[in-house]
Amino acid sequence: NAGVTQTPKFQVLKTGQSMTLQCAQDMNHEYMSWYRQDPGMGLRLIHYSVGAGITDQGEVPNGYNVSRSTTEDFPLRLLSAAPSQTSVYFCASSYSTGKHEQYFGPGTRLTVT
Amino acid sequence: GQNIDQPTEMTATEGAIVQINCTYQTSGFNGLFWYQQHAGEAPTFLSYNVLDGLEEKGRFSSFLSRSKGYSYLLLKELQMKDSASYLCAAPLRAGSYQLTFGKGTKLSVIP
Repeated sequence: NAGVTQTPKFQVLKTGQSMTLQCAQDMNHEYMSWYRQDPGMGLRLIHYSVGAGITDQGEVPNGYNVSRSTTEDFPLRLLSAAPSQTSVYFCASSYSTGKHEQYFGPGTRLTVT
Repeated sequence: GQNIDQPTEMTATEGAIVQINCTYQTSGFNGLFWYQQHAGEAPTFLSYNVLDGLEEKGRFSSFLSRSKGYSYLLLKELQMKDSASYLCAAPLRAGSYQLTFGKGTKLSVIP
């Protein structure tokens, strides 16, 4: 099992550019989520999905879109990047919501200039 | 929303015992998680408590008191590799299964 994979590992964007952060898992997990981690702020939930076709907003959803067309993939889209979106982004998955540990991907370090 | 408090930094000596505290404010409690995160890496799961009491897993133990909204992570026989951030996580809001994380406690183990 590859577990949770994320691409790219590093990315630099200019303000206003768009991009998609990829996340995939091969553990047949129903629950997937995206977090951002900033110094002094901890992990904050952006969006999550409890299954294919179902997504919902977390604590800090503004500026981000998600979709879940398959169980395996959960991409995060930045439509118009802003410097405030400079962060480390982690994707995570778990067998079901809440009571099961989340497995995190290696992260994507994004810089917006 | 949820407010999770944990100390920002702690330092302990190799071979010693350290306790990292976490307080949270949620009614309709759904469990509390502890994760470990080494610098530059992803968080990894350490423990999950849903009932009161102490759960032991090797050198690591986690305690929960639901009535006090309090948990701690106990690390025994500290090793240099235990230097990491330790993240406490609880439900985002009452009845929710989505997690909110504390800001993490950075533990430095010194010789």
